[in-house]
Amino acid sequence: DADVTQTPRNRITKTGKRIMLECSQTKGHDRMYWYRQDPGLGLQLIYYSFDVKDINKGEISDGYSVSRQAQAKFSLSLESAIPNQTALYFCATSDLRSSQPQHFGDGTRLSIL
Amino acid sequence: EDQVTQSPEALRLQEGESSSLNCSYTVSGLRGLFWYRQDPGKGPEFLFTLYSAGEEKEKERLKATLTKKESFLHITAPKPEDSATYLCAVQPRGGGSEKLVFGKGTKLTVNP
Repeated sequence: DADVTQTPRNRITKTGKRIMLECSQTKGHDRMYWYRQDPGLGLQLIYYSFDVKDINKGEISDGYSVSRQAQAKFSLSLESAIPNQTALYFCATSDLRSSQPQHFGDGTRLSIL
Repeated sequence: EDQVTQSPEALRLQEGESSSLNCSYTVSGLRGLFWYRQDPGKGPEFLFTLYSAGEEKEKERLKATLTKKESFLHITAPKPEDSATYLCAVQPRGGGSEKLVFGKGTKLTVNP
């Protein structure tokens, strides 16, 4: 089984709909992250969380919200989806110790029509 | 502003033809530099972390090196299964930053 599991893997929806992407991990890591990847661009950080009570905005948080339901679960919501949020979304985790690598899930491909 | 530039954007090699990928960075103090491999339809897979200039790491046909301004990923005698997009990321030091700044990647194709 994958250490970092994202659901769904693919989603097609319409403009204005509310969407939730989910991430769960079995690595026992405290830190969790949500990234967005667009063709020709680097991965961009949306939100990150150091523990259940600590949520931080990344560089492109507008239009997104997150919830850390448990140490192992971190969900990303698009309250009212718009077409330019069409992208690949990745969840990642890392150990509490600084400078540890982040480990990524296999992503959710989201298309907003 | 922290930046990462990877070159070339794409690279085609014949099997066995060694080459290097470049990652140039500007950062306000480097906490760590990371190399990842990404296959189509998959998330980035961690390869190496480098922390200080002069450091080198090796794994099979891959060797990563670090200077104060850039990192190289050397690929020796590549095989078709080495085909992937290779991503470089830096973690700035200070300010409690946990952010990784990613480059756009180098897409490597190794032909048999």
